[in-house]
Amino acid sequence: AQSVAQPEDQVNVAEGNPLTVKCTYSVSGNPYLFWYVQYPNRGLQFLLKYITGDNLVKGSYGFEAEFNKSQTSFHLKKPSALVSDSALYFCAVRDERGATNKLIFGTGTLLAVQP
Amino acid sequence: DSGVTQTPKHLITATGQRVTLRCSPRSGDLSVYWYQQSLDQGLQFLIQYYNGEERAKGNILERFSAQQFPDLHSELNLSSLELGDSALYFCASSVSGVSGELFFGEGSRLTVL
Repeated sequence: AQSVAQPEDQVNVAEGNPLTVKCTYSVSGNPYLFWYVQYPNRGLQFLLKYITGDNLVKGSYGFEAEFNKSQTSFHLKKPSALVSDSALYFCAVRDERGATNKLIFGTGTLLAVQP
Repeated sequence: DSGVTQTPKHLITATGQRVTLRCSPRSGDLSVYWYQQSLDQGLQFLIQYYNGEERAKGNILERFSAQQFPDLHSELNLSSLELGDSALYFCASSVSGVSGELFFGEGSRLTVL
């Protein structure tokens, strides 16, 4: 069954430093991959997606993600972290089964950016 | 603002009771998804409706049911509530097509006492 894994429960980074939030996936076919962010007491906000094409995907708020098929990874990156980036980040993969767009989410990674 | 509206935002009730959560999708979106977010289970898919019909089903308990109405709003009914049902319940909607991302509402926080 398809799945995504986020190996880090929490990532700490200093403001101004680059950040990476890791995600690996497991699918049998071509993956449709997504990143979402959740601020406290809010819903999930879409950041970016990979469907096909360029392996480097650019999204909202300066985030980007790199799709790596050989490593089955889809890491989220940002060149310079902001304190306001502190939030819970979810990686997700589209369910391959049936005519549905439902997403299967990872367990989430809490990003803490220190000033 | 995602355009997905959920009510109520907060709900406190007692064990054994029944509640209804409501969701209005973004204008033009035919699909509605329900997810449960809890500390121990993470984000769990419950059920999806597409244009009034059930399209996919996840680990939704038999005590829970949902429907999508002709105006495309959806309701999630939770009955015989247990303490463990306390969670954030999210509704999301999407456009048609396999690559469409989901747009989430702000959620309904259910507390069962």
